[in-house]
Amino acid sequence: DQQVKQNSPSLSVQEGRISILNCDYTNSMFDYFLWYKKYPAEGPTFLISISSIKDKNEDGRFTVFLNKSAKHLSLHIVPSQPGDSAVYFCAASALGNQFYFGTGTSLTVIP
Amino acid sequence: DAGVIQSPRHEVTEMGQEVTLRCKPISGHDYLFWYRQTMMRGLELLIYFNNNVPIDDSGMPEDRFSAKMPNASFSTLKIQPSEPRDSAVYFCASYSREVGGEQFFGPGTRLTVL
Repeated sequence: DQQVKQNSPSLSVQEGRISILNCDYTNSMFDYFLWYKKYPAEGPTFLISISSIKDKNEDGRFTVFLNKSAKHLSLHIVPSQPGDSAVYFCAASALGNQFYFGTGTSLTVIP
Repeated sequence: DAGVIQSPRHEVTEMGQEVTLRCKPISGHDYLFWYRQTMMRGLELLIYFNNNVPIDDSGMPEDRFSAKMPNASFSTLKIQPSEPRDSAVYFCASYSREVGGEQFFGPGTRLTVL
C-alpha cells in the first residue's frame, strides 16, 4: 500500500508562473519529508526537505509547505523555469530508518 | 567523494539469464537502499541494509531476487533467472543516519530483459 501518494502524474506550467506539486501521506509517524528532482537517465537528486516541527521551508525559488493535520505537503516553484522540467518525487521517513517515495509528478515548464 | 557508483549503467540480457547489479555507496554512509523505478509504483524500495545487515527485504518481488552487502563499500542485487517483467531502472542509494538529511542516489542501471 502506498504510504506516500502523488496523485498528479503530470503538470504543465508556463515559464514564469508558479508550479505547485502535491503529495499526500497516510502514516502519522512520518517526521521528515523530502522532495527529489529527477532528470532522464540520471538518479534522483535532493531538492528540499522539511521537518514535521515546521510548516514551511524555503530555499530560493523552492518552498515546501507541510499541513500535518491534512497529511499533505506541497512544493511551490516560483518563478518556474524551463530547466525545472523534470520528474519530482515526494518522500517521507519516520526516525530516519526508511524512506517512502511517491510515484512522481512529471513537470513541464513551457517557454 | 565520487558519489554513489552503480554498474553497469545499462544491461541487456535474455530471459532466464542471471543478472548482477553493483553498487558502491558513499564512504561513511551506514545505510544502503536498492530501489526499482516503474511507471506504476514510482520508486519502489526493494531492500535496505544498515551497517551491511539486511533490515527489510519485504519489497523484494520474489525469490528470484537476492541482495548482498559483503562490506561497507559494496553491494549487489542479483536476479536469477531474469524475466521480461524485471525490465526497469534500478537505483542504489546511501545515507548517513548520524548526519541525517537526504539519501544520495546513484545514476541507476537500466535493465532490459528480452
